[in-house]
Amino acid sequence: QKEVEQDPGPLSVPEGAIVSLNCTYSNSAFQYFMWYRQYSRKGPELLMYTYSSGNKEDGRFTAQVDKSSKYISLFIRDSQPSDSATYLCAMTSAQGGSEKLVFGKGTKLTVNP
Amino acid sequence: DTGVSQDPRHKITKRGQNVTFRCDPISEHNRLYWYRQTLGQGPEFLTYFQNEAQLEKSRLLSDRFSAERPKGSFSTLEIQRTEQGDSAMYLCASSTRSAASGNTIYFGEGSWLTVV
Repeated sequence: QKEVEQDPGPLSVPEGAIVSLNCTYSNSAFQYFMWYRQYSRKGPELLMYTYSSGNKEDGRFTAQVDKSSKYISLFIRDSQPSDSATYLCAMTSAQGGSEKLVFGKGTKLTVNP
Repeated sequence: DTGVSQDPRHKITKRGQNVTFRCDPISEHNRLYWYRQTLGQGPEFLTYFQNEAQLEKSRLLSDRFSAERPKGSFSTLEIQRTEQGDSAMYLCASSTRSAASGNTIYFGEGSWLTVV
């Protein structure tokens, strides 16, 4: 079993839809959770970061963490064509000072005008 | 724009040849990371430098891979005796603070390697 599981999609939605992206993980030592966005042939860029269980909102984006279920989500409200990209969840335990981020496979999202 | 710069952007090489990638981090970023990403997968951690010290290496980094950051500025990643399985995008990232605490690390656009 991989440490982080993420449905690769692809996911196609109409403009204005609410998008839900999810990851599950198996390593209970993971403490920090991130969502990255990666446009085609570019490097990933950090979108959201959460530490504790619960919700964190930033504009149209909401990140949710449920540590008891080992499940994290990213919601995108009022999705726009410019949101079309691959969304990667990432997490880390930071145990022993490790800098290693463990990424999911990424979910490819297309928002159609 | 003074983002993370990687060179070359694309490299095609024959199996068995050696290749070297260079990464120039954002100025004054003392932390530097290398990741590898294959098609349809997320990035996989390879190694981490703080200044010139290589502090963490993944088990993915076989003996054929070596990374250096001699003066704590740019870094090189060398792959010796390349194999077809090495075909991937090699991503470099830099930061001033720990990535593990959710601080922003800035990725370059990657160096694509194709081994034929």
